[in-house]
Amino acid sequence: DSGVTQTPKHLITATGQRVTLRCSPRSGDLSVYWYQQSLDQGLQFLIQYYNGEERAKGNILERFSAQQFPDLHSELNLSSLELGDSALYFCASSRTSGPQETQYFGPGTRLLVL
Amino acid sequence: AQSVTQLGSHVSVSEGALVLLRCNYSSSVPPYLFWYVQYPNQGLQLLLKYTTGATLVKGINGFEAEFKKSETSFHLTKPSAHMSDAAEYFCAPTGANSKLTFGKGITLSVRP
Repeated sequence: DSGVTQTPKHLITATGQRVTLRCSPRSGDLSVYWYQQSLDQGLQFLIQYYNGEERAKGNILERFSAQQFPDLHSELNLSSLELGDSALYFCASSRTSGPQETQYFGPGTRLLVL
Repeated sequence: AQSVTQLGSHVSVSEGALVLLRCNYSSSVPPYLFWYVQYPNQGLQLLLKYTTGATLVKGINGFEAEFKKSETSFHLTKPSAHMSDAAEYFCAPTGANSKLTFGKGITLSVRP
């Protein structure tokens, strides 16, 4: 158990809909990362937050947005969903934002768009 | 920018045999290098990482990796494979920023 929790574990929705994925980092971790894992794209970095502020952006679509709240939990919002958004979404957390820090991964949210 | 190449998408070894999973990186800055393992239907777990100092890094479950700057490699090895090692393995560098740039992953199968 990494100490990172993600809800829900599974999500089935329809094209055009909007969903919110939630992540609670390990106790004391200030940095949260979101990654997408799909069969065709592999594991890709989406976005990073550090202590409530956006720190880095990766291959995140404009239809996707995220935020980190004062209690340090984070939410990833996916809107106007398409079939191709079906994937496993991971959240990770680390103590600080440095590149040498270990990122601890949650169990993921599996999203299926029908 | 970081990139990583993991040669071969699938490696099969016999139980008790040497495990060697290859990883080569390209980086415009000295990288930090990570190996993660993903068991079926689970998240990623850190096996080991190289930041600075000793280039031979020991990790969990008997795995180790050696950072070779001249070869831009960070291959993962284990002297004797166990059935429980069957999983997917990812090599990932970071660099100037913290994002992990994952390779395509290698699926390790262990034959009894």
